[in-house]
Amino acid sequence: DVKVTQSSRYLVKRTGEKVFLECVQDMDHENMFWYRQDPGLGLRLIYFSYDVKMKEKGDIPEGYSVSREKKERFSLILESASTNQTSMYLCASSPLEVVREKLFFGSGTQLSVL
Amino acid sequence: GDSVTQMEGPVTLSEEAFLTINCTYTATGYPSLFWYVQYPGEGLQLLLKATKADDKGSNKGFEATYRKETTSFHLEKGSVQVSDSAVYFCALSSHSNYQLIWGAGTKLIIKP
Repeated sequence: DVKVTQSSRYLVKRTGEKVFLECVQDMDHENMFWYRQDPGLGLRLIYFSYDVKMKEKGDIPEGYSVSREKKERFSLILESASTNQTSMYLCASSPLEVVREKLFFGSGTQLSVL
Repeated sequence: GDSVTQMEGPVTLSEEAFLTINCTYTATGYPSLFWYVQYPGEGLQLLLKATKADDKGSNKGFEATYRKETTSFHLEKGSVQVSDSAVYFCALSSHSNYQLIWGAGTKLIIKP
């Protein structure tokens, strides 16, 4: 089975800190995604990447950046964390040919910014 | 633009009850439609999908039929179990980019 692993299940940070969320997938998928999940809003796409060193903005990229130096790893960076970035962050991956058909998700990182 | 609307939750049912979670969509063209499920403490996983009008997706006793005339993809199950308690997301694939367009999610609570 595909495994998408997010480095932390829970994370508590202070306002203004630089925060790194890490995601690793073990199935050689080309596409990787970062979403945030908020009650009543569903999933909103922050960034995605379809290849190493490639990235595309999603719906809500402001305040975030990403890094994909290796195919299996996709990092989300909060340059200066703010309280409105308190949320559940979900990483996902998919093969290139079925990018819209099936996403494989990690179990999420619940980030609290105090 | 494309959008997905789901019924608000939580939906609370007794075990063995019939389940319907409504999902309607707005899209140009002919999107594919999906239901994903998120069990407590886990990531989302694909439950079922349908890629064209009148297709029925099914899995684990759940079904949903792609109704183009009513732009709907309602999720149904004849007899729910406590283990079905989860958050259910309806989604469609946008033909214009890589994105899936997501509904807000519906939390389902099944009581024994």
